[in-house]
Amino acid sequence: EVQLVESGGGLVQPGGSLRLSCAASGFTFSSYWMSWVRQAPGKGLEWVANIKQDGSEKYYVDSVKGRFTISRDNAKNSLYLQMNSLRAEDTAVYYCARNKLDYWGQGTLVTVSS
Amino acid sequence: QAGLTQPPSVSKGLRQTATLTCTGNSNNVGNQGAAWLQQHQGHPPKLLSYRNNNRPSGISERFSASRSGNTASLTITGLQPEDEADYYCSAWDSSLSAWVFGGGTKLTVL
Repeated sequence: EVQLVESGGGLVQPGGSLRLSCAASGFTFSSYWMSWVRQAPGKGLEWVANIKQDGSEKYYVDSVKGRFTISRDNAKNSLYLQMNSLRAEDTAVYYCARNKLDYWGQGTLVTVSS
Repeated sequence: QAGLTQPPSVSKGLRQTATLTCTGNSNNVGNQGAAWLQQHQGHPPKLLSYRNNNRPSGISERFSASRSGNTASLTITGLQPEDEADYYCSAWDSSLSAWVFGGGTKLTVL
């Protein structure tokens, strides 16, 4: 059974940093592009970033370029999102998903507030 | 990044048919087609269809997708109370190198 489990969310002050993790199981993690997608409270889905199987290609939504970094460790079956210079508008539930959007984690809430 | 366009809400009666639309451009919907996702309140999204009308295992045949040009559609037949949810379309945009989403359609089953 495919499972994606996010962790690392929480309350952080504006300008702060947070690192999200996503533990994958039930499939060959190293064979798939992976994505992070977020959803602000009461709002729609917004794709944040994705990463190729070997980490050699990464793409980001404009609003997070230069602030967020996606990475992966195939030996640990894990996906990461390093978030720096956080802003109030980054407040959202962050989901880890296989790039084809066929499997999603339960999400982890990030709240940016003073 | 520009998103896809979906109507904010659609209301239909029990056992009726609902058709949801999603409009993009030739770089996204018109290029590789759209994926459709269903999201119930408090839950993560669930993939209903990808690349226009490929249903993942376990998805009811009541859900069918299609595309005409830059517009994708999701048709839900025999509406049930459990179909009441938010529906999102998404497509890979080859010019942006990014996934783009629609704003979502809230489906109400009367």
